[in-house]
Amino acid sequence: DGGITQSPKYLFRKEGQNVTLSCEQNLNHDAMYWYRQDPGQGLRLIYYSQIVNDFQKGDIAEGYSVSREKKESFPLTVTSAQKNPTAFYLCASSISLGGTAKNIQYFGAGTRLSVL
Amino acid sequence: AQSVAQPEDQVNVAEGNPLTVKCTYSVSGNPYLFWYVQYPNRGLQFLLKYITGDNLVKGSYGFEAEFNKSQTSFHLKKPSALVSDSALYFCAVREGGSQGNLIFGKGTKLSVKP
Repeated sequence: DGGITQSPKYLFRKEGQNVTLSCEQNLNHDAMYWYRQDPGQGLRLIYYSQIVNDFQKGDIAEGYSVSREKKESFPLTVTSAQKNPTAFYLCASSISLGGTAKNIQYFGAGTRLSVL
Repeated sequence: AQSVAQPEDQVNVAEGNPLTVKCTYSVSGNPYLFWYVQYPNRGLQFLLKYITGDNLVKGSYGFEAEFNKSQTSFHLKKPSALVSDSALYFCAVREGGSQGNLIFGKGTKLSVKP
């Protein structure tokens, strides 16, 4: 998982609470991504960012928010509007957003979020 | 629309036997295809990719994958399985040259028994 650090490893959310998951990369990548993983459903894209101060909704953005103030950092906030937040959250980065041969996504070790 | 299917939820193999994890895809243009592996409570690790060229792609840990355009498949293979290969394997596809996002399959759990 080298180069991408996600914290914390485990996180617990109380009802009505917003929580923020951290993602930091030192790979000098422009593009960053957040995925949600549920058993048997593969990875679903929440948000992605191709450059600082820009981000786009993915397939399941409702109840989540992000920011991209620095190239290295792409934090994800799980808001109280997300009614089923229990899942494994993965952050990834790639050189750019484009579909080039070099554009492999590299993943962090993940954060497991549970509801108390 | 792009899509990828992994028809098997689980594959069981005896150590030392060959293994195959299946993947089929659908894209409107040329596909870029990827395999990733995930060990328990960890992120995904890149194994190999097909972009263009030779249909047989070699990757990490002795894995290889064969691109078959007529069957729209990209099956992952290994000649001799190890117990340590037991993990969750994901196939992913993107339309080549586009800025579309990666689409992941649902994953196949590989179990290798001694």
